Amino acid sequence: DTGVSQDPRHKITKRGQNVTFRCDPISEHNRLYWYRQTLGQGPEFLTYFQNEAQLEKSRLLSDRFSAERPKGSFSTLEIQRTEQGDSAMYLCASSLYTFNVVTGNTIYFGEGSWLTVV
Amino acid sequence: QKEVEQNSGPLSVPEGAIASLNCTYSDRGSQSFFWYRQYSGKSPELIMSIYSNGDKEDGRFTAQLNKASQYVSLLIRDSQPSDSATYLCAVPPKGGYNKLIFGAGTRLAVHP
Repeated sequence: DTGVSQDPRHKITKRGQNVTFRCDPISEHNRLYWYRQTLGQGPEFLTYFQNEAQLEKSRLLSDRFSAERPKGSFSTLEIQRTEQGDSAMYLCASSLYTFNVVTGNTIYFGEGSWLTVV
Repeated sequence: QKEVEQNSGPLSVPEGAIASLNCTYSDRGSQSFFWYRQYSGKSPELIMSIYSNGDKEDGRFTAQLNKASQYVSLLIRDSQPSDSATYLCAVPPKGGYNKLIFGAGTRLAVHP
């Protein structure tokens, strides 16, 4: 079990550029989540997939953000025309969804991808 | 009212003491609750989950759940400087089990 892995770990980009983050979930997990976290705040939900289907997107998620999970394995999160307010840590997490109210909701985070927009 | 509320702290305790971290949630129907620890600059790591009223112990950590009062707490016994971190409480949202909603976290500082 290699855990959730994210790439790149750090990204510095100029305002207006596009960036893409990749996430590889724990291999047997069928759900994959993207969260964003800024200093002093808890992780904020962005979107999640069950297998390859994107089942929910936060209303806070700008149209500049798009996420994919084409084959139900890894996922990418793209931010177009980055703004300074996009600077944050982007967290990917995964879980094995079951009907068990505890284990079905237990999510495991990757190490995060830090984005700095200058 | 926020779905999950925590005191931001910092909570400062001496080494060896019991640290008590609290969390309140808004949805009376919530059934599962999670505590994560996050070191500065790192990602959250799961410490414990609890879904039944009462206490659940795991080593130096005890999670306590009171559904009637809608709060969940985390006790850390024999606190160590290495326990200094932000502790995040997380709860599934009202009406669903599709994600976890996180509180802003409580920063714990254990001083020697």
